[in-house]
Amino acid sequence: EVQLVESGGGLIQPGGSVRLSCEGSEFRLNINYLNWVRQAPGKGLEWVAVLYSGGATYYADFVKGRFTLSRDDSKNTVYLQMNSLGAEDTAVYYCATPLNARDAFDVWGQGTVVTVSS
Amino acid sequence: SYVVTQPPSVSVAPGETARITCGGNNIGTKSVHWYQKRPGQSPVLVIYYDRDRPSGIPDRFSGSNSGNTATLTITRVEAGDEADYYCQLWDTSSDHPGVFGGGTKVTVL
Repeated sequence: EVQLVESGGGLIQPGGSVRLSCEGSEFRLNINYLNWVRQAPGKGLEWVAVLYSGGATYYADFVKGRFTLSRDDSKNTVYLQMNSLGAEDTAVYYCATPLNARDAFDVWGQGTVVTVSS
Repeated sequence: SYVVTQPPSVSVAPGETARITCGGNNIGTKSVHWYQKRPGQSPVLVIYYDRDRPSGIPDRFSGSNSGNTATLTITRVEAGDEADYYCQLWDTSSDHPGVFGGGTKVTVL
């Protein structure tokens, strides 16, 4: 079954860092572009970042240099390194990718929860 | 960066038609995608490229996009359609290209 599986969330101290992982199953992440989308408690969906197959990356304005995307093709995994975290980064983080819908996200992971709190 | 606006809520009786709008400057020149989000679940793509339906999505879901408004229409609304709906597009002229609307809560009366 085609799927994405996130991991790496947890309770993080303010100012701390965490690395989220998104592993693809039954398809190659390096031929798609992998996005991260988050949803803070009680808020809407918010686009975070995209890693294109050629390696280009783009980030939401609120990231302000704190997050970095990378990919390990041998593990079919994309990573989101998040630094200098604040309470406003508390959210469920989803990875998502287009598979059969051109540039719309038709495959989503189950989400991983990041809580930034002391 | 490009801003899109959705009404916070829409209420509809079962069997009726719900219309959810997504407004933006000349949004008709962009391709709009729509997602359904239920609490505790991952989002589901219901319409892509303004009006295309992924496999498995009922034909009760349809989309249109023209001028300054894109619209998701749900006909013969069922209780199971109660969810938040988000429009999404790519602003390819921006360094921050991914854009989501604020979401619309659809309540089935």
